[in-house]
Order: sequence, then structure tokens, then C-alpha cells
Amino acid sequence: DAGITQSPRYKITETGRQVTLMCHQTWSHSYMFWYRQDLGHGLRLIYYSAAADITDKGEVPDGYVVSRSKTENFPLTLESATRSQTSVYFCASTARTDNTEAFFGQGTRLTVV
Amino acid sequence: DAKTTQPPSMDCAEGRAANLPCNHSTISGNEYVYWYRQIHSQGPQYIIHGLKNNETNEMASLIITEDRKSSTLILPHATLRDTAVYYCIVRVKNTGTASKLTFGTGTRLQVTL
Repeated sequence: DAGITQSPRYKITETGRQVTLMCHQTWSHSYMFWYRQDLGHGLRLIYYSAAADITDKGEVPDGYVVSRSKTENFPLTLESATRSQTSVYFCASTARTDNTEAFFGQGTRLTVV
Repeated sequence: DAKTTQPPSMDCAEGRAANLPCNHSTISGNEYVYWYRQIHSQGPQYIIHGLKNNETNEMASLIITEDRKSSTLILPHATLRDTAVYYCIVRVKNTGTASKLTFGTGTRLQVTL
């Protein structure tokens, strides 16, 4: 099925552990994004990518690493998870056309204990 | 990207039109107005966007004032399923770099029976 999917939907991890959140889209969109959403902060951009092997920092990149070896995948890695990274994470993609609406995944709820 | 101001919350009776305002007094000539919504526990969903002309699609209408300093999203016949947080975003389209979106805190629309 076409779309954008995130996995896992829910994750509990311990402080200091590495965890990777996966994002996969089937439209071959050039642009992909990772946001986090916390109460009182709305959605904040972590990292984004304009194409395979091209990534850039967003508003809150510290503590996160991304890669984009294939157009359809954009994993987000927390190298050493902290409690402040407890959040809901959303992945999104857009096509580089005039119709630039973004499509979002269902989100990953991450809890760091 | 221009800053936007939205009321934190609004109520609307089911079947009535919901009119959600957004102020963007510092908008530049090449910036578009985008609207997204986020239903509880889901990823944001694109609704509509426009530059200066009024726009309509199957979901909503977007009315932009002549001076472009404010806009209104209209849901013509609100239903309970329209209960969500609505985000007004102003940004340049297709900048040549990633089309990242900056989300504020939005308007929480509650549709009631």
C-alpha cells in the first residue's frame, strides 16, 4: 500500500541506550522530515533531508542522528537516549513539485525511562 | 518564515460552518499560507494552501484578505470528526532547499452536538 509508515508505534527504552526509529515512504518523495511533538511545544523539526545522502539539521537536532541511504527510508537514531527525548516522533515526506503538501506518518511514541 | 497568530481554542456546533482565523501580518510577497490539522493521536494532515486568491477543495475553503495579513480557514459543515488542532503556517514554497514546515501551537477546534 502506498503511504508513509513509521515503526515501531510505541517504544520504551532505558536511559543511555541507542534506539532507532524507522520511517518508510512509497511515493519516492524527495524530501523527508523528522519532527518531535511535546506538550506546550507543538511540532519541532529535528532533521530533514532533500534527497538520498543529503541531510540537514532542523530546530532541535542535538542527540539525534539521521541517515538517508535510500530515497524511501529515513531512520532517526537516538545515540544515547535521555529522558528529555521522551516524546512523540513524526516522520513526513513531500514531493518537490508545486504541490508541496507534506504527508505525515502515524507517529512513534517513545518513552525513555 | 512569517510568524502566525491563532486563537488557542474555538468551539463549533456540528453542521455549522467553522471559521478559523489566522493573523500573519509580516507575510512576504512570496510566502504561501498553509493549513494542516492534527486529530488526536494522529500525524498532521494537509488541508489546503494559497498565495493570495481564495482557494477551495473538498475539505475546506481558504479566504485570504486583500492585504494578505490574515486568512480564514472555513469548514463549511463541521462534523465531530473535524475536532482537531488546526495549524496555520506561512512559508515560501519550493525554496530550492527542503520544504520544511514550522508549526506553532495552533487552534484546538472542538465540534459539539
